[in-house]
Amino acid sequence: EVQLLESGGGLVQPGGSLGLSCAASGFTFNDYGMSWVRQAPGKGLEWVSALSGSGGRTYYADSVKGRFTISRDNSKNTLYLQMNGLRAEDTSIYYCAKPYRGNGDYWSFDLWGRGTLVTVSS
Amino acid sequence: EIVLTQSPATLSLSPGERATLSCRASQSVSSYVAWYQQKPGQAPRLLIYDTSNRATGIPARFSGSGSGTDFTLTISSLEPEDFAVYYCQHRSSWPLTFGGGTKVEIK
Repeated sequence: EVQLLESGGGLVQPGGSLGLSCAASGFTFNDYGMSWVRQAPGKGLEWVSALSGSGGRTYYADSVKGRFTISRDNSKNTLYLQMNGLRAEDTSIYYCAKPYRGNGDYWSFDLWGRGTLVTVSS
Repeated sequence: EIVLTQSPATLSLSPGERATLSCRASQSVSSYVAWYQQKPGQAPRLLIYDTSNRATGIPARFSGSGSGTDFTLTISSLEPEDFAVYYCQHRSSWPLTFGGGTKVEIK
Protein backbone atom coordinates (compact mmCIF):
# COMPACT_ATOMS: atom_id res chain seq x y z
CA GLU A 1 0.00 0.00 0.00
CA VAL A 2 1.23 3.48 -0.86
CA GLN A 3 1.35 5.49 2.33
CA LEU A 4 3.17 7.93 4.55
CA LEU A 5 3.11 7.63 8.33
CA GLU A 6 4.33 10.45 10.53
CA SER A 7 5.40 10.07 14.14
CA GLY A 8 7.19 12.00 16.86
CA GLY A 9 4.73 14.76 17.66
CA GLY A 10 3.89 15.81 21.19
CA LEU A 11 4.00 18.57 23.78
CA VAL A 12 7.22 20.56 24.11
CA GLN A 13 8.13 23.71 26.00
CA PRO A 14 9.08 26.92 24.19
CA GLY A 15 12.72 26.79 23.23
CA GLY A 16 12.71 23.00 23.20
CA SER A 17 13.43 20.48 20.47
CA LEU A 18 11.50 17.71 18.80
CA GLY A 19 12.20 15.31 15.96
CA LEU A 20 9.56 14.08 13.53
CA SER A 21 9.76 11.02 11.28
CA CYS A 22 7.79 10.00 8.22
CA ALA A 23 7.90 6.37 7.11
CA ALA A 24 7.15 5.84 3.43
CA SER A 25 5.98 2.67 1.74
CA GLY A 26 4.60 1.49 -1.58
CA PHE A 27 6.75 3.63 -3.90
CA THR A 28 10.41 4.07 -4.82
CA PHE A 29 11.28 6.53 -2.07
CA ASN A 30 14.61 7.76 -3.43
CA ASP A 31 13.01 8.73 -6.75
CA TYR A 32 11.06 11.48 -5.00
CA GLY A 33 11.87 14.70 -3.30
CA MET A 34 9.81 15.00 -0.12
CA SER A 35 8.32 17.83 1.87
CA TRP A 36 6.81 18.88 5.19
CA VAL A 37 3.68 21.02 5.34
CA ARG A 38 2.02 22.22 8.54
CA GLN A 39 -1.37 23.47 9.62
CA ALA A 40 -2.00 25.43 12.79
CA PRO A 41 -5.29 24.62 14.56
CA GLY A 42 -8.18 26.07 12.56
CA LYS A 43 -5.82 27.69 10.05
CA GLY A 44 -4.63 27.12 6.50
CA LEU A 45 -1.74 25.14 5.06
CA GLU A 46 1.84 26.37 5.35
CA TRP A 47 4.76 24.81 3.48
CA VAL A 48 7.71 24.20 5.83
CA SER A 49 10.57 22.43 4.09
CA ALA A 50 11.55 20.16 1.22
CA LEU A 51 14.52 18.17 0.01
CA SER A 52 15.54 16.36 -3.13
CA GLY A 53 15.51 12.62 -3.63
CA SER A 54 19.23 12.35 -2.96
CA GLY A 55 18.98 14.73 -0.01
CA GLY A 56 21.51 17.04 -1.62
CA ARG A 57 19.20 20.04 -1.99
CA THR A 58 17.18 21.44 0.88
CA TYR A 59 14.64 24.25 1.04
CA TYR A 60 13.05 26.03 3.99
CA ALA A 61 10.35 28.56 4.70
CA ASP A 62 11.75 31.76 6.22
CA SER A 63 9.70 31.10 9.36
CA VAL A 64 11.75 27.98 10.19
CA LYS A 65 15.11 28.64 8.53
CA GLY A 66 17.97 28.19 10.96
CA ARG A 67 15.79 26.29 13.46
CA PHE A 68 14.50 23.27 11.52
CA THR A 69 16.54 20.68 9.60
CA ILE A 70 15.10 18.30 7.03
CA SER A 71 16.85 15.06 6.18
CA ARG A 72 16.18 11.57 4.86
CA ASP A 73 17.51 8.04 5.07
CA ASN A 74 16.79 6.33 1.78
CA SER A 75 17.91 2.96 3.15
CA LYS A 76 15.06 3.21 5.67
CA ASN A 77 12.53 4.97 3.39
CA THR A 78 12.20 7.64 6.05
CA LEU A 79 11.99 11.43 6.06
CA TYR A 80 12.90 13.49 9.12
CA LEU A 81 12.35 16.96 10.50
CA GLN A 82 14.49 18.10 13.43
CA MET A 83 12.92 21.11 15.09
CA ASN A 84 14.94 23.26 17.50
CA GLY A 85 14.15 26.54 19.21
CA LEU A 86 10.44 25.81 19.09
CA ARG A 87 7.98 28.65 19.50
CA ALA A 88 4.29 28.79 20.31
CA GLU A 89 3.60 29.70 16.69
CA ASP A 90 5.09 26.37 15.58
CA THR A 91 2.09 24.60 17.12
CA SER A 92 0.55 22.70 14.21
CA ILE A 93 -0.25 19.41 12.64
CA TYR A 94 2.82 18.46 10.61
CA TYR A 95 2.22 16.51 7.42
CA CYS A 96 4.79 14.86 5.21
CA ALA A 97 3.92 14.94 1.54
CA LYS A 98 5.11 13.31 -1.69
CA PRO A 99 5.22 15.11 -5.06
CA TYR A 100 2.95 13.88 -7.82
CA ARG A 101 5.93 12.95 -10.01
CA GLY A 102 9.48 11.88 -9.28
CA ASN A 103 12.89 12.74 -10.72
CA GLY A 104 12.30 16.46 -11.03
CA ASP A 105 10.86 19.58 -9.44
CA TYR A 106 7.21 18.57 -9.34
CA TRP A 107 6.43 20.15 -6.01
CA SER A 108 2.70 19.59 -5.72
CA PHE A 109 1.64 16.73 -3.53
CA ASP A 110 -0.47 13.71 -4.32
CA LEU A 111 0.23 11.68 -1.19
CA TRP A 112 -0.05 12.97 2.36
CA GLY A 113 0.32 11.33 5.72
CA ARG A 114 -2.29 11.68 8.44
CA GLY A 115 -0.13 14.20 10.23
CA THR A 116 1.38 14.45 13.71
CA LEU A 117 0.46 17.18 16.19
CA VAL A 118 3.17 19.34 17.69
CA THR A 119 2.14 21.55 20.59
CA VAL A 120 4.55 24.16 21.92
CA SER A 121 3.43 25.37 25.32
CA SER A 122 4.67 25.85 28.86
CA GLU B 1 7.60 35.27 -1.79
CA ILE B 2 4.61 34.79 -4.07
CA VAL B 3 1.32 35.47 -2.30
CA LEU B 4 -1.75 33.54 -3.40
CA THR B 5 -5.10 35.21 -2.66
CA GLN B 6 -8.19 33.04 -2.81
CA SER B 7 -11.71 34.34 -3.21
CA PRO B 8 -14.30 34.22 -1.97
CA ALA B 9 -13.42 33.13 1.56
CA THR B 10 -16.75 31.31 1.80
CA LEU B 11 -19.05 30.11 -0.94
CA SER B 12 -22.60 29.10 0.04
CA LEU B 13 -24.20 26.88 -2.57
CA SER B 14 -26.71 24.05 -2.91
CA PRO B 15 -26.01 20.54 -4.22
CA GLY B 16 -26.20 20.52 -8.00
CA GLU B 17 -25.02 24.10 -8.35
CA ARG B 18 -21.81 25.19 -10.05
CA ALA B 19 -18.90 26.40 -7.89
CA THR B 20 -16.26 28.78 -9.17
CA LEU B 21 -13.23 29.38 -6.94
CA SER B 22 -10.54 31.95 -7.68
CA CYS B 23 -6.82 32.04 -6.90
CA ARG B 24 -4.77 35.12 -7.76
CA ALA B 25 -0.96 35.21 -7.56
CA SER B 26 1.06 38.31 -6.69
CA GLN B 27 3.31 37.58 -9.69
CA SER B 28 3.29 35.13 -12.54
CA VAL B 29 3.50 31.45 -11.59
CA SER B 30 3.28 30.25 -15.19
CA SER B 31 0.97 27.21 -15.13
CA TYR B 32 2.34 25.79 -11.87
CA VAL B 33 -0.78 25.88 -9.72
CA ALA B 34 -2.38 22.99 -7.88
CA TRP B 35 -5.69 22.70 -6.06
CA TYR B 36 -6.44 20.65 -2.95
CA GLN B 37 -9.58 19.68 -1.09
CA GLN B 38 -9.55 19.28 2.68
CA LYS B 39 -12.31 17.94 4.89
CA PRO B 40 -12.34 18.28 8.69
CA GLY B 41 -9.89 15.96 10.40
CA GLN B 42 -8.37 14.82 7.11
CA ALA B 43 -5.19 15.51 5.20
CA PRO B 44 -5.45 17.55 2.00
CA ARG B 45 -6.24 15.72 -1.21
CA LEU B 46 -4.73 16.74 -4.54
CA LEU B 47 -7.42 17.55 -7.11
CA ILE B 48 -5.63 19.42 -9.90
CA TYR B 49 -1.95 19.94 -10.70
CA ASP B 50 -0.31 22.32 -13.17
CA THR B 51 -3.50 24.35 -13.66
CA SER B 52 -5.71 21.82 -15.41
CA ASN B 53 -4.55 18.23 -14.91
CA ARG B 54 -6.82 16.11 -12.75
CA ALA B 55 -5.02 13.89 -10.27
CA THR B 56 -5.65 10.17 -10.26
CA GLY B 57 -9.21 9.26 -9.31
CA ILE B 58 -10.57 12.81 -9.34
CA PRO B 59 -14.03 13.07 -10.91
CA ALA B 60 -14.50 14.98 -14.15
CA ARG B 61 -16.77 17.54 -12.44
CA PHE B 62 -13.57 19.15 -11.11
CA SER B 63 -11.71 21.29 -13.63
CA GLY B 64 -9.01 23.92 -13.50
CA SER B 65 -8.07 26.79 -15.77
CA GLY B 66 -5.95 29.91 -15.92
CA SER B 67 -2.39 31.06 -16.48
CA GLY B 68 0.06 33.65 -15.24
CA THR B 69 -1.59 35.18 -12.19
CA ASP B 70 -5.25 34.18 -12.36
CA PHE B 71 -6.53 30.66 -11.81
CA THR B 72 -9.93 29.06 -11.36
CA LEU B 73 -11.19 25.80 -9.94
CA THR B 74 -14.66 24.87 -11.17
CA ILE B 75 -16.92 22.20 -9.75
CA SER B 76 -19.56 21.76 -12.41
CA SER B 77 -22.30 20.31 -10.22
CA LEU B 78 -21.76 20.05 -6.48
CA GLU B 79 -22.14 16.66 -4.86
CA PRO B 80 -22.77 16.37 -1.09
CA GLU B 81 -19.18 15.17 -0.58
CA ASP B 82 -17.73 18.29 -2.24
CA PHE B 83 -18.53 20.60 0.67
CA ALA B 84 -15.08 21.25 2.09
CA VAL B 85 -12.21 23.74 2.11
CA TYR B 86 -10.19 24.22 -1.06
CA TYR B 87 -6.62 25.50 -1.28
CA CYS B 88 -4.49 26.55 -4.22
CA GLN B 89 -0.69 26.18 -4.18
CA HIS B 90 2.10 27.23 -6.54
CA ARG B 91 5.36 25.45 -7.32
CA SER B 92 6.85 28.17 -9.49
CA SER B 93 9.67 29.17 -7.12
CA TRP B 94 10.84 28.87 -3.53
CA PRO B 95 9.21 29.21 -1.12
CA LEU B 96 6.18 27.22 -2.10
CA THR B 97 3.04 28.91 -0.85
CA PHE B 98 -0.62 28.10 -0.38
CA GLY B 99 -3.63 30.35 -0.65
CA GLY B 100 -5.71 31.06 2.43
CA GLY B 101 -8.50 28.72 1.35
CA THR B 102 -12.12 28.89 0.21
CA LYS B 103 -14.76 27.12 2.24
CA VAL B 104 -17.59 25.70 0.16
CA GLU B 105 -20.58 25.31 2.46
CA ILE B 106 -24.11 24.08 2.05
CA LYS B 107 -26.61 26.87 1.56
